[in-house]
Parts: sequence; structure tokens; C-alpha cells
Amino acid sequence: EAQVTQNPRYLITVTGKKLTVTCSQNMNHEYMSWYRQDPGLGLRQIYYSMNVEVTDKGDVPEGYKVSRKEKRNFPLILESPSPNQTSLYFCASRYRGPYEQFFGPGTRLTVL
Amino acid sequence: DAKTTQPPSMDCAEGRAANLPCNHSTISGNEYVYWYRQIHSQGPQYIIHGLKNNETNEMASLIITEDRKSSTLILPHATLRDTAVYYCIVRVGGYQKVTFGTGTKLQVIP
Repeated sequence: EAQVTQNPRYLITVTGKKLTVTCSQNMNHEYMSWYRQDPGLGLRQIYYSMNVEVTDKGDVPEGYKVSRKEKRNFPLILESPSPNQTSLYFCASRYRGPYEQFFGPGTRLTVL
Repeated sequence: DAKTTQPPSMDCAEGRAANLPCNHSTISGNEYVYWYRQIHSQGPQYIIHGLKNNETNEMASLIITEDRKSSTLILPHATLRDTAVYYCIVRVGGYQKVTFGTGTKLQVIP
């Protein structure tokens, strides 16, 4: 089944403890993105990648890192999480060109 | 990417057509219009997209005005399962950076 998977789905952590949220897709998509969603603010893009080793900042990249060492994986790294990074996170992927994005199920992160 | 404007909320009676408008008055010639929806806090789901012509698929129809400054998503026979937040976005086909906005919360009423 074609899908985007994220792990973990739920995470509660404390300020400053490094964490990684994994994202994997099995559709051989070139493009991948990370979004965060907060009440009243809609979906905001954090980082995106157009291919292996090619990444760029979205609208809200501060406090996040990404890497794209393999085509199928695009992990989101929070080196020193803070409470303002408490949010619902989505990973998405698509083919190059005017194609639709496929979204993962989301990761609900709480930073205490 | 061009900005889009959508009404924050709309109601629709079950079984009737739901017409969701989107304004994208600054759209450029190579930008597509995409529609997604999000049910509760699930991952957004793609509905339809188009460049100039009207489009139809098994889920919905997309009507784009001739000047391309606005569009309407039509759900022909709304059901309770269509209750969701609907997002209209515009982007260049090959471009990756995208702005989603806050969408329209559609409530389908029995």
C-alpha cells in the first residue's frame, strides 16, 4: 500500500531533550516536506526537500533540522525542543511536477 | 506562491451541493490551484487540482474562472463524512514551497 509513515505518532518530552521524528514514504517520491499545525494557524511548512541531499527552509524553520540521506526517508530533528514546539506535525511527499502531496498520519508532540 | 482567501466556515445540508469558494487574485500564469481537506486532525487528503480548465474527478469538481483569480470546489452531494476543513492552495507545479492558510471549515448538517 502506497503510504507515508511517521513515528512516533505521539510523544511527550521535556525541554532540551533531543528528539527525532521519522518520516518514510514507499512511493519513490522526489519531494518531501514537514509541516506543523497549530490551532488557528493552519499548516505551516517547516522544511522541504527536492531530492537526496537537497533541502531548504520553509516558513518556520527555526529550531528544526532535517536531513535527506535516502530518497525514502526525511527525518525531522529537534536538537533542543522548547514548549513552543508543542504541535501536530505532518510529513508529506509527492512526485516532481504538478502532482498532489500525500500526507502522513501526523505526530502529536508535547514539550513540557 | 500566491495567497489565497477562503471563508472561515460554511454550512451545507446533507445531500445538497457544497460550493466552497477560494480567491487567488494574485495567481500567476504557471500556478496550479489545489484543494485538500482535513478531517479532524488526520493528515490532509488531496481532492483535486487544475491550471485553467475545469476539472472533475470522483470526489469533486473544480471550477476556475476565466481570469483565474478565483475558483470553486463543488462537492455534488455532500454527506456527513464531508465535514472537514478544506484548503485551497496555489503553487507552481514544480515548486516545493507552499502556503496552506487556515482553510474553510465545512459543516454538513443532517
